[in-house]
Amino acid sequence: GENVEQHPSTLSVQEGDSAVIKCTYSDSASNYFPWYKQELGKRPQLIIDIRSNVGEKKDQRIAVTLNKTAKHFSLHITETQPEDSAVYFCAASKHSGGYQKVTFGIGTKLQVIP
Amino acid sequence: EAQVTQNPRYLITVTGKKLTVTCSQNMNHEYMSWYRQDPGLGLRQIYYSMNVEVTDKGDVPEGYKVSRKEKRNFPLILESPSPNQTSLYFCASIPYFRGQGNTEAFFGQGTRLTVV
Repeated sequence: GENVEQHPSTLSVQEGDSAVIKCTYSDSASNYFPWYKQELGKRPQLIIDIRSNVGEKKDQRIAVTLNKTAKHFSLHITETQPEDSAVYFCAASKHSGGYQKVTFGIGTKLQVIP
Repeated sequence: EAQVTQNPRYLITVTGKKLTVTCSQNMNHEYMSWYRQDPGLGLRQIYYSMNVEVTDKGDVPEGYKVSRKEKRNFPLILESPSPNQTSLYFCASIPYFRGQGNTEAFFGQGTRLTVV
């Protein structure tokens, strides 16, 4: 089955600096890669996603890149702010013949220091 | 408003006392799933359901049961809870759109379960 590895498990950055979280996946059939943000005590919510036919996607201060050959994808947050502090999960998803499977990484706890 | 609703939000119970955590979605999604979240282990899938009366084991199914009698409901059942099932539980539903493929998972608010 799919295996998603996520690094680092914790990350501290100064406000205004950039943060990068990296994930690798094992199943070449995975074709959808969402990122979720979970604020303290809240549910995970989608912040950005990318499909396998796209190499990069950007939405204001966040961007995601995908390297299908190497099977890795990354989340980039620029100009970090204290409200970016949260746990971030990457995921790899595939759908084949009516079967759908989403596998999550273990999460990265991001702390933005004011 | 499109949403996934879990109940209860918090639950403290004793070892061996059967309990059910309910999950309901109003988005007509075929796919629903249960996850448990533990520190350092992320979100691990317990069971999932592709549609009514179709369920299958995820990565950590031991000690849990599910049912999918209606499209909108996907309850999680712990027949004989044990302390190692103390965790934060999330229900999620996922739409699949022909031509677009997989899309985001919509999570419930979470249920924090403590088994003493």
